[in-house]
Amino acid sequence: SQQGEEDPQALSIQEGENATMNCSYKTSINNLQWYRQNSGRGLVHLILIRSNEREKHSGRLRVTLDTSKKSSSLLITASRAADTASYFCATDERYSTLTFGKGTMLLVSP
Amino acid sequence: KAGVTQTPRYLIKTRGQQVTLSCSPISGHRSVSWYQQTPGQGLQFLFEYFSETQRNKGNFPGRFSGRQFSNSRSEMNVSTLELGDSALYLCASSPNRAGNEKLFFGSGTQLSVL
Repeated sequence: SQQGEEDPQALSIQEGENATMNCSYKTSINNLQWYRQNSGRGLVHLILIRSNEREKHSGRLRVTLDTSKKSSSLLITASRAADTASYFCATDERYSTLTFGKGTMLLVSP
Repeated sequence: KAGVTQTPRYLIKTRGQQVTLSCSPISGHRSVSWYQQTPGQGLQFLFEYFSETQRNKGNFPGRFSGRQFSNSRSEMNVSTLELGDSALYLCASSPNRAGNEKLFFGSGTQLSVL
């Protein structure tokens, strides 16, 4: 079953603009992770935020977590064409299982 | 360190056949997870192995099975293939799959069932 649900399903922006993707989940979590997938390839881990953290930064990425609303957001600043990919949130509700949402497809046009 | 290696990269089978997919985790990683990815259902968890033991299983029929060897390499098998089994099968490894670990994914095996 899907735990996380990303919003929007698809996002199209110009290079230089910021991209914001949201993720909502249903049950209590230990941490939330964001992954990126280029077309037809494996997923690449971007960032992990623990349930007791509210915000985390990594380069051009900023992730927030609101456990009271059971939601997270991923902000990519100054987007580049190379950021074109699908982005997934994943929650760790059981000890050894990551549950992924259906993802947001991001298209960054030059 | 070499990344997670999945073989084969592409596979075409017909309904009723069976298929075996292989995954070699990053050296030193003891946990291997398998996921099925389809456009309609997204990423669905199949199972996770740790030290040769299946630790968790997703909601898939018994036609889907897997195993892990003493060197942590893992295989998954799908018997009596159905058209709906067409998907990208992804394998991911981590050192212990503790709650705060990230997963390292292979490039996947694209299975087409005709």
